[in-house]
Amino acid sequence: ELKVEQNPLFLSMQEGKNYTIYCNYSTTSDRLYWYRQDPGKSLESLFVLLSNGAVKQEGRLMASLDTKARLSTLHITAAVHDLSATYFCAVSRGASGSRLTFGEGTQLTVNP
Amino acid sequence: DTGVSQDPRHKITKRGQNVTFRCDPISEHNRLYWYRQTLGQGPEFLTYFQNEAQLEKSRLLSDRFSAERPKGSFSTLEIQRTEQGDSAMYLCASSLLSGILPNEQFFGPGTRLTVL
Repeated sequence: ELKVEQNPLFLSMQEGKNYTIYCNYSTTSDRLYWYRQDPGKSLESLFVLLSNGAVKQEGRLMASLDTKARLSTLHITAAVHDLSATYFCAVSRGASGSRLTFGEGTQLTVNP
Repeated sequence: DTGVSQDPRHKITKRGQNVTFRCDPISEHNRLYWYRQTLGQGPEFLTYFQNEAQLEKSRLLSDRFSAERPKGSFSTLEIQRTEQGDSAMYLCASSLLSGILPNEQFFGPGTRLTVL
């Protein structure tokens, strides 16, 4: 059974600081996804990582994937309040993928 | 730009009643997924369709749950004899099997179900 673990589950940080969220998964996976969810809202796709060593950046967020370590990281640079949300990683398996298996989420709060 | 839409957005029902939710995917997407999310947790997979064929069902999908996608476009999820434990957000997502980022799933706004 594929398991996905994120840490930390809760993160409170000050504006301007840097931090990293970690996502570990238990078995071989072909794709890793990062999503953002605001309270009471649905999920917004942030990144899709397709191969070992993949790195993607959008604004203050950068995601990377190490398939050998079964680890993905979401790095936040110079955090701003607007980044406050819950961040989920998810993995899928198989050449075409199907179901996504999600982590528990990291609830990020950026304080002024 | 029409993303994934879901109806209703909120549903309150009494225990034992049947409810039905609808999902309209992004028009060219051939895959459609249902997930359930409870407070403080990540979404859990329920089932998915490729066109009109239901290809996979989770063990979470008990006999009281049924999903259809009759013409390979919109989908419905029905819960019979609802229980309080069914209270959750039901999320629909769709994806395109082929393409630059195959199977990137786009989520709808969800239907929040409360069973009293």
